[in-house]
Amino acid sequence: NAGVTQTPKFQVLKTGQSMTLQCAQDMNHEYMSWYRQDPGMGLRLIHYSVGAGITDQGEVPNGYNVSRSTTEDFPLRLLSAAPSQTSVYFCATGMRVATNEKLFFGSGTQLSVL
Amino acid sequence: AQSVTQLDSQVPVFEEAPVELRCNYSSSVSVYLFWYVQYPNQGLQLLLKYLSGSTLVKGINGFEAEFNKSQTSFHLRKPSVHISDTAEYFCAVRARSGYGNKLVFGAGTILRVKS
Repeated sequence: NAGVTQTPKFQVLKTGQSMTLQCAQDMNHEYMSWYRQDPGMGLRLIHYSVGAGITDQGEVPNGYNVSRSTTEDFPLRLLSAAPSQTSVYFCATGMRVATNEKLFFGSGTQLSVL
Repeated sequence: AQSVTQLDSQVPVFEEAPVELRCNYSSSVSVYLFWYVQYPNQGLQLLLKYLSGSTLVKGINGFEAEFNKSQTSFHLRKPSVHISDTAEYFCAVRARSGYGNKLVFGAGTILRVKS
C-alpha cells in the first residue's frame, strides 16, 4: 500500500510557466485536497474534492485549477506560475465518515517560482 | 468560519521536561479538534483528535490534549519529552456539520527538545 503519492518532490519554474502537481491515492478515499504550507502561516486549503467529478474551492484557490476524473487521482494545475506560489504543497485524503476523522498526507512537493 | 490560533511559534524545552503547546480556536458552530505533527521533510500525521465524549483525549507517543469549551482551547501536553519529539505541531479544527473534511490549521508550533 503506497498511501498518498505526490510527484514531483521538487520543482523549479520560471514565472509564467505552467505545470501539474500529481497526487494519487490507493486507499479508495472519497475526499482529496490540496494545501500549501508557508512559514508562519500553517497550511491553507487550496481546493478539495468529495468524490469523482466534484471539486470545490478552499481558502486560497486563485491561480490553481483542479479536476477529479477518478477516485485515485487529484492533480493540481498552475496555469501561469507566479513567485507568490513558491511554497510546499501537500495532498491530503480521507474518508467521509465522521467517526473516522483523519487526513492522510503525502510527503509534499517543494515548488520554487523564479 | 473557523480559525485557529497557536499561541507560541517556538517552544524550547529540555529532554524529560513537561511541555504544553497552546491552541485556541474560534467558531460559531460545534467543531471537531485535532493535533497533527510534522517531522522534518515529511507530511503531517495525526497525533490525536477530539470528536465527542471525554474532554481529555490521548494520542500517540504519550501526548494528550484537553478540550475546554468555555475557554475555546485545545492545549497539547506531554509529561516528559524526548529528543525525538522535536517537530512542528499543528492544531486544526473543522465544523461538525457541513460537506467534506475541510480542516482549518493553525500556524504551527515548533517544539525543540534539547539534551
